[in-house]
Amino acid sequence: QVQLQESGPRLVKPSQTLTLTCTVSGASIRSGGPYWSWIRQVPGKGLEWIGYIYYSGSPYYNPSLTSRLTMSLDTSKNQFSLRLTSVTAADTAVYYCARLVLCCGGDWGQGTLVTVSS
Amino acid sequence: DIQMTQSPSSLSAGVGDRVTITCRASQSITTYLHWYQQKPGKGPKLLIYAASTLQSGVPSRFSGSGSGTDFTLTISSLQPEDFATYYCQQSYSIPWTFGLGTAVEIK
Repeated sequence: QVQLQESGPRLVKPSQTLTLTCTVSGASIRSGGPYWSWIRQVPGKGLEWIGYIYYSGSPYYNPSLTSRLTMSLDTSKNQFSLRLTSVTAADTAVYYCARLVLCCGGDWGQGTLVTVSS
Repeated sequence: DIQMTQSPSSLSAGVGDRVTITCRASQSITTYLHWYQQKPGKGPKLLIYAASTLQSGVPSRFSGSGSGTDFTLTISSLQPEDFATYYCQQSYSIPWTFGLGTAVEIK
């Protein structure tokens, strides 16, 4: 069974960089097929797909965030990461990592609340 | 972007009731439509993928149907553990998008 766990700072100051890591167990991030994804949910609001990174290292970002976003893989640790620069209060959200397959949905982590505040 | 419109936004139902949630896409997404269940403090859990395929381990009271732009999630006999929020998601085109959710509450 695949499990995903998000980790990183819970509080980030405005204009700084948010960095989160997702640790995967039960599957290798080097395997083709799944898209290693990030999704966020503003408290009380809907879900927003942030982007994904493929096992080859090729990322694809939501056009609304692409100028501030970088995703990467660490195959030695079976982790993937998200880096979002120049954050504002609008980036306060629960951030989820997920293993999604194009045809078939997939598994999500429990999520981590990140608050942007001075 | 493909807009996903879910209805209703919330509903009240009793144990044993039949519940139907609909999701409409702003353009055809064939069957690239998935349904998730989310409980407070948890990440979404996959129930149905490819519009109508039951995820392994999910009770058979859950079913999905539809193709193109109109989709339905049905719970045939609501159980206490089914009170949650349900989301649809399309993976037909980037950016992947979600419905705003349907909160199923106890009557």
